[in-house]
Amino acid sequence: GESVGLHLPTLSVQEGDNSIINCAYSNSASDYFIWYKQESGKGPQFIIDIRSNMDKRQGQRVTVLLNKTVKHLSLQIAATQPGDSAVYFCAEKGANSKLTFGKGITLSVRP
Amino acid sequence: NAGVMQNPRHLVRRRGQEARLRCSPVKGHSHVYWYRQLPEEGLKFMVYLQKENIIDESGMPKERFSAEFPKEGPSILRIQQVVRGDSAAYFCASSVGRLNTEAFFGQGTRLTVV
Repeated sequence: GESVGLHLPTLSVQEGDNSIINCAYSNSASDYFIWYKQESGKGPQFIIDIRSNMDKRQGQRVTVLLNKTVKHLSLQIAATQPGDSAVYFCAEKGANSKLTFGKGITLSVRP
Repeated sequence: NAGVMQNPRHLVRRRGQEARLRCSPVKGHSHVYWYRQLPEEGLKFMVYLQKENIIDESGMPKERFSAEFPKEGPSILRIQQVVRGDSAAYFCASSVGRLNTEAFFGQGTRLTVV
């Protein structure tokens, strides 16, 4: 089960390896998805977005994959660097335009 | 090229006082969202405003909390008679449009109620 207030799940990767961060979204009517990165003491920072009519989008070192069948979103980071260490959130936006966030995942990069 | 500006960055209030949190969106953005974040948790939606209108306030407590986004000036999140449980980081985001547009966040206001 889930508990509110416990530490966020953590993904630990070796520097230079690829990271895959997964997210399950809840609203099948959502048509726009965003990945955010949040460093300690800062606001969420936009990484990459994808619309529901796409299943893949690539940015610089990042790729977002969308599987609408199982309502799953993933963020792939190539050649993970220490500066990638942060909490990552997926967010979905539906017709009502409300941006809803999933539970975050802490990415820890080992040197 | 100013992003979303929030002030103050840190705010300390005694129980029973009022807290006013300000958010100036990116220039040209008319949509503002407010979120609350507790330590080690995700961002919880509070309210969505478009210039002078509240579009969705389903995440905002009915008592003591209010938000506005006037025609001129920043968006304001107001918390009356603060209690210790209001202590959190409050983030504002803005976007240019309603659908399928990026939302950019400010650095947040960290409210501490003593």
